Amino acid sequence: EDKVVQSPLSLVVHEGDTVTLNCSYEVTNFRSLLWYKQEKKAPTFLFMLTSSGIEKKSGRLSSILDKKELFSILNITATQTGDSAVYLCPNAGNNRKLIWGLGTSLAVNP
Amino acid sequence: EPEVTQTPSHQVTQMGQEVILRCVPISNHLYFYWYRQILGQKVEFLVSFYNNEISEKSEIFDDQFSVERPDGSNFTLKIRSTKLEDSAMYFCASGDRGRGNTEAFFGQGTRLTVV
Repeated sequence: EDKVVQSPLSLVVHEGDTVTLNCSYEVTNFRSLLWYKQEKKAPTFLFMLTSSGIEKKSGRLSSILDKKELFSILNITATQTGDSAVYLCPNAGNNRKLIWGLGTSLAVNP
Repeated sequence: EPEVTQTPSHQVTQMGQEVILRCVPISNHLYFYWYRQILGQKVEFLVSFYNNEISEKSEIFDDQFSVERPDGSNFTLKIRSTKLEDSAMYFCASGDRGRGNTEAFFGQGTRLTVV
């Protein structure tokens, strides 16, 4: 059965800390891994990863995929209170539907 | 910036009633999806829609559910006879890429409460 496992489930840090969120997966005919940030409602797209070892970067956020070990990490440096959210890493196979994990709930305290 | 819009943002309905959740995908997108998230649980795939037909549906998407793209802009999810367990946040998403890319852009969701 396809699955996505994220760790930790919950994380509390102080502003300025760096965090690393983990996402491991088992997906048939893996095509891509996506990272989303979910605040109050809709997941907001962050990155799409399809190739191993190529870092995607956007400001303080960066992500990389390891297709051999079947995981991805999302790094956030110099965290801010606005980074507080649930971070999700759904995977897509050939059929385009997204398989989701429970997410990592990040709380950044001032 | 283009975005997916959903209406209503919140709907409360009595068990057994029909509901229609509405979505306007991003205009040049070709792939449309419905997902749902029961409070405290994972986001779950319901259905994908391409070229005016369902391309895939999950086990959740039984005969009570249907989707339509009635006028080329709206994309609706109908639940014929709601059950208590249908209470969830329903997200519409759309994507514009071919087989190589799978990113999807989500609407703000409709919170459905069945009482």
